[in-house]
Amino acid sequence: DAGITQSPRHKVTETGTPVTLRCHQTENHRYMYWYRQDPGHGLRLIHYSYGVKDTDKGEVSDGYSVSRSKTEDFLLTLESATSSQTSVYFCATRTSGGPADTQYFGPGTRLTVL
Amino acid sequence: GNSVTQMEGPVTLSEEAFLTINCTYTATGYPSLFWYVQYPGEGLQLLLKATKADDKGSNKGFEATYRKETTSFHLEKGSVQVSDSAVYFCALAQGGSEKLVFGKGTKLTVNP
Repeated sequence: DAGITQSPRHKVTETGTPVTLRCHQTENHRYMYWYRQDPGHGLRLIHYSYGVKDTDKGEVSDGYSVSRSKTEDFLLTLESATSSQTSVYFCATRTSGGPADTQYFGPGTRLTVL
Repeated sequence: GNSVTQMEGPVTLSEEAFLTINCTYTATGYPSLFWYVQYPGEGLQLLLKATKADDKGSNKGFEATYRKETTSFHLEKGSVQVSDSAVYFCALAQGGSEKLVFGKGTKLTVNP
């Protein structure tokens, strides 16, 4: 358990509304990741961060932005939510990003966009 | 590019049955290989890993051996329990990349 919390755990919102999901970690891990999980698609990487203010895009980054102003917090923002963004979102962390490092996951946020 | 292919589910077994979930990968060099498990309503957690060829990862009765010659990392357990019902993900990590590559997951249901 790498001390990862996500908030909120559940959210229902309407199309066109901005939404921010928060990931908080207590282990001082350098790398943080946002994934979405959908039936038939497994886990897909949205964005990741390799340090404070250092972020990069994943495979499904359109419609999402991220920010990391402190080591412990990684925010995911949907600027204008759409129904296709209904999903379960997972945050994850890794220590140094080396190939043998374990990736730790948060409990997830279930987002429904009506 | 790197990729992971695992057997499609769902897989349904009776308690005490033998489990195999196949996983093959495509990668250059010598990636590290992982199995993660996701119990209902939870995030993923590491089940086991292997970092070089012929290594065997093991945990909670599960095993997987890193086979370079067949580019495989199949998950096995000799006798499954109802509590093993979950989704299992195979993944790889390549040196020089900060990202893990995941398979699509295999849902396992074990009936009493």
